[in-house]
Amino acid sequence: DTEVTQTPKHLVMGMTNKKSLKCEQHMGHRAMYWYKQKAKKPPELMFVYSYEKLSINESVPSRFSPECPNSSLLNLHLHALQPEDSALYLCASSQAAGQPTYEQYFGPGTRLTVT
Amino acid sequence: GEDVEQSLFLSVREGDSSVINCTYTDSSSTYLYWYKQEPGAGLQLLTYIFSNMDMKQDQRLTVLLNKKDKHLSLRIADTQTGDSAIYFCAESKMDSSYKLIFGSGTRLLVRP
Repeated sequence: DTEVTQTPKHLVMGMTNKKSLKCEQHMGHRAMYWYKQKAKKPPELMFVYSYEKLSINESVPSRFSPECPNSSLLNLHLHALQPEDSALYLCASSQAAGQPTYEQYFGPGTRLTVT
Repeated sequence: GEDVEQSLFLSVREGDSSVINCTYTDSSSTYLYWYKQEPGAGLQLLTYIFSNMDMKQDQRLTVLLNKKDKHLSLRIADTQTGDSAIYFCAESKMDSSYKLIFGSGTRLLVRP
């Protein structure tokens, strides 16, 4: 099983809503990542978790709050988002962080629209 | 710098070869990758090359690396309509190898 799953596939939320994005993998990977991808742009790294601990936060605003409840799950909690946060949010996992030979497997993404 | 640059668009006829080019500026890059993204989908790793290699071939895909010119290319032989997608090159560096730096992506359109 080399699959990373993400739910929901699409999400529309208002600026006052609180919602969460979920990501799951069962490959035994110990590194998990959140990326943000705006239309016609490359993905940009947001967060890296290594062994369930947050190791990298790429200066992401606090309205995005990641959580890694166990080694298979990664959440992204959203609160008070802005319309410019509308994007495709991609989750990825790899065997470990800090090792370029370990392939990052990407999920299909959650397309988020903030109204 | 960290810039990874790609041309934005390439159109080829089905059955022809496609060549997608990428340039990077950071000589400390260790691994260089090619990812494919179909519309509305996540990224799929196609292949990668270590920076001490010149070439890597994997079925229809050939990666060429010119480290002196910091130029990377992906050649797709016998291009099919299913190859239509956006192709991203990416680099990861020894000093922060958890982080992939992506190029802007090249949209490949394969005409029947």
